[in-house]
Amino acid sequence: GAVVSQHPSRVICKSGTSVKIECRSLDFQATTMFWYRQFPKQSLMLMATSNEGSKATYEQGVEKDKFLINHASLTLSTLTVTSAHPEDSSFYICSAKDGSYEQYFGPGTRLTVT
Amino acid sequence: AQSVTQPDIHITVSEGASLELRCNYSYGATPYLFWYVQSPGQGLQLLLKYFSGDTLVQGIKGFEAEFKRSQSSFNLRKPSVHWSDAAEYFCAVGRYNQFYFGTGTSLTVIP
Repeated sequence: GAVVSQHPSRVICKSGTSVKIECRSLDFQATTMFWYRQFPKQSLMLMATSNEGSKATYEQGVEKDKFLINHASLTLSTLTVTSAHPEDSSFYICSAKDGSYEQYFGPGTRLTVT
Repeated sequence: AQSVTQPDIHITVSEGASLELRCNYSYGATPYLFWYVQSPGQGLQLLLKYFSGDTLVQGIKGFEAEFKRSQSSFNLRKPSVHWSDAAEYFCAVGRYNQFYFGTGTSLTVIP
């Protein structure tokens, strides 16, 4: 139980285009979902927290207009990187909570912007 | 301020040897504590967690961790390391929607 999926697992896009990453809780309803960014050999940095049906709460320094987060249902959250640039290349990981104190992590999405 | 420190950036152990990964935290309230493992290019897998009760917790893959409130520590241990344990290990503390991760310890296992 408590499986979180992400799609796609890898994506390459051209500079200036937008890319959408999906995060799904497969066997539970996620009251809260989180989006993290991880640079090589570094820890996870929380980008934003989203609750179903409400606006996401972004961490300081994260551009809301660049990283659009939508949590339209209790099983789906999406992260859209708008007008992507090479510096947006990173490993993006989502996690989801079912109301308990534990987070369940997705397998991550490797974004490369050329 | 809340923070998590993993003092060891990289550890190398021989297969079959014992392992201890250190984690110290600073948190205003009683924390919930977690250890995660990450293989290259993968997401995080929960090894174990501590919410309350017995301060020695058992996890998957033969790992255990001990919560020591007086030392603000939650060190991860394994009595005998396997080559497949080579990975990145993250300690995390938090409650509710506040999670703080350490910078990680990279484990190399040599034959």
